[in-house]
Amino acid sequence: DSGVTQTPKHLITATGQRVTLRCSPRSGDLSVYWYQQSLDQGLQFLIQYYNGEERAKGNILERFSAQQFPDLHSELNLSSLELGDSALYFCASSVTPGPQETQYFGPGTRLLVL
Amino acid sequence: AQSVSQHNHHVILSEAASLELGCNYSYGGTVNLFWYVQYPGQHLQLLLKYFSGDPLVKGIKGFEAEFIKSKFSFNLRKPSVQWSDTAEYFCAVNWATLSGSARQLTFGSGTQLTVLP
Repeated sequence: DSGVTQTPKHLITATGQRVTLRCSPRSGDLSVYWYQQSLDQGLQFLIQYYNGEERAKGNILERFSAQQFPDLHSELNLSSLELGDSALYFCASSVTPGPQETQYFGPGTRLLVL
Repeated sequence: AQSVSQHNHHVILSEAASLELGCNYSYGGTVNLFWYVQYPGQHLQLLLKYFSGDPLVKGIKGFEAEFIKSKFSFNLRKPSVQWSDTAEYFCAVNWATLSGSARQLTFGSGTQLTVLP
């Protein structure tokens, strides 16, 4: 158990819908990352937040957005869902971004879009 | 663009065989190197990491990895695998920026290891 929690574990929804994935970082970690894992794209970095502010963006679609709240939990919002958005979404956390940073991953949310 | 390559997509071994999984990254500079393991249905767990110093690093569960800067490689090894090592293994790299902080993790495509009892 890494100490990073994610809810829900599984999510089944229909195309065109909107979902929210939630992540709570390890105690004391200020930085949260979101990744998407799919069969065709592998593990891809989506977005990073540090202490409430967006720090870096990766391959995140415009239909997707995220935020980090004052209590440091983060939410990833996926809207206008398409079949291709079906994937495993991981959250990771670290103490702070830096030259010797280690990210710890949560159990993931498996999203299925029908 | 920065990239990480894992050339072995699927490796099948018998128990007690030795393991070496390859990982190469695209160019030099200051790098941090990681191996993560994902057991079936589970999340990514950190196996080991290299930041600096001794290029041979030891991780959990008897795994080790060697950083060879001249070859841009960070291969994972285990002298004797067990059935419980069946999992997917991911190499990940991040590169230091000019300011000294680290960019985001870039993952390889993963290697599925199957250990036959």
